[in-house]
Amino acid sequence: DQQVKQNSPSLSVQEGRISILNCDYTNSMFDYFLWYKKYPAEGPTFLISISSIKDKNEDGRFTVFLNKSAKHLSLHIVPSQPGDSAVYFCAAPGEGGNTPLVFGKGTRLSVIA
Amino acid sequence: NAGVTQTPKFRILKIGQSMTLQCTQDMNHNYMYWYRQDPGMGLKLIYYSVGAGITDKGEVPNGYNVSRSTTEDFPLRLELAAPSQTSVYFCASSYLTGTYGYTFGSGTRLTVV
Repeated sequence: DQQVKQNSPSLSVQEGRISILNCDYTNSMFDYFLWYKKYPAEGPTFLISISSIKDKNEDGRFTVFLNKSAKHLSLHIVPSQPGDSAVYFCAAPGEGGNTPLVFGKGTRLSVIA
Repeated sequence: NAGVTQTPKFRILKIGQSMTLQCTQDMNHNYMYWYRQDPGMGLKLIYYSVGAGITDKGEVPNGYNVSRSTTEDFPLRLELAAPSQTSVYFCASSYLTGTYGYTFGSGTRLTVV
């Protein structure tokens, strides 16, 4: 059973436009969420996170929105740049909050110049 | 500052062979993890460790063994390689788990033929 779901395997966006990557989760006990970015032949790198006490967290061009009632979060990238082309993973600590991260399957973002 | 170092980067094994994937971190992190990533799938946790001498199973531990004799090193052992273990393996570390971001190594691509 997937606890963190990313239902879009890929997304293609024009440079300068907004990229929106979505993530759903099943466990209402999750109270913290993280996004990781992965380039080919590299390990994932931490991008941005959000606590369940917030509904938005912003860091430069990256904003994560959390809708607890819908168990849904999204990552917005504005404006999108070719260097943003990568696989993005949504993650959450496992049940209990102090357990290793559970990852979604990832969404491959392609930003077209 | 090297972060998390994984060796080797690539390896081809024959069915039934054994090998050890090495992982070393120089950040004095207590927590270390092994994940595997299959094509089109997210990262699945194999084993993790909360400190030297302490290890615990993750979601997909079968066919693997780990040890943690020092804070820095967390090797992953495959005893009898099977084609199902063809994957990319990532080692990661963190100061704490849960809400803390992980630092990942660059991965080991393993093919079992």
